[in-house]
Amino acid sequence: DVKVTQSSRYLVKRTGEKVFLECVQDMDHENMFWYRQDPGLGLRLIYFSYDVKMKEKGDIPEGYSVSREKKERFSLILESASTNQTSMYLCASSWYGARSYEQYFGPGTRLTVT
Amino acid sequence: DAKTTQPPSMDCAEGRAANLPCNHSTISGNEYVYWYRQIHSQGPQYIIHGLKNNETNEMASLIITEDRKSSTLILPHATLRDTAVYYCIVKADSNYQLIWGAGTKLIIKP
Repeated sequence: DVKVTQSSRYLVKRTGEKVFLECVQDMDHENMFWYRQDPGLGLRLIYFSYDVKMKEKGDIPEGYSVSREKKERFSLILESASTNQTSMYLCASSWYGARSYEQYFGPGTRLTVT
Repeated sequence: DAKTTQPPSMDCAEGRAANLPCNHSTISGNEYVYWYRQIHSQGPQYIIHGLKNNETNEMASLIITEDRKSSTLILPHATLRDTAVYYCIVKADSNYQLIWGAGTKLIIKP
């Protein structure tokens, strides 16, 4: 079974802190994604990576950066956390190419910024 | 990518077939229909996808109308564990990005 793990289920941070969210997948997937999910807004793509050290902006990249130094690990970084970044963060991975539609998701990290 | 329209919520009795509709009247010829679901407190899970023909796997069946403007996801014998939000997404095969709508909240009742 594909496993996508995220470093924390719940996280509470203060405004202005630097926040790291880690995601690891064990299926050798090329693609990895970071989404945030907010009530009434659905899932929105923050960043996408199709290879080590490669990244593309999604729909809402402002205030976020990402790092992919190893194929299995994709990190989301909030350089200076703000209260409007309080949300559920979901990581996903998929194969490249014909099966890229089949994304496997982690359990999510509920981040609260106070 | 084309947009989809789904009812916000539906109920179904346990053991019965759950039929979840989706309208995608502006779908293009190269766009597939994908279904995912999200059980409470979990990440979304891929269910099934199709282009023109009906599809079936161990989880569900997907019926796509001949004009491809709508589709129905069928869970043949719904259980309480099928209570979830179900998302219908249309996407061209060449695009990596899934565009997520609000989905249908399906409640299976005992």
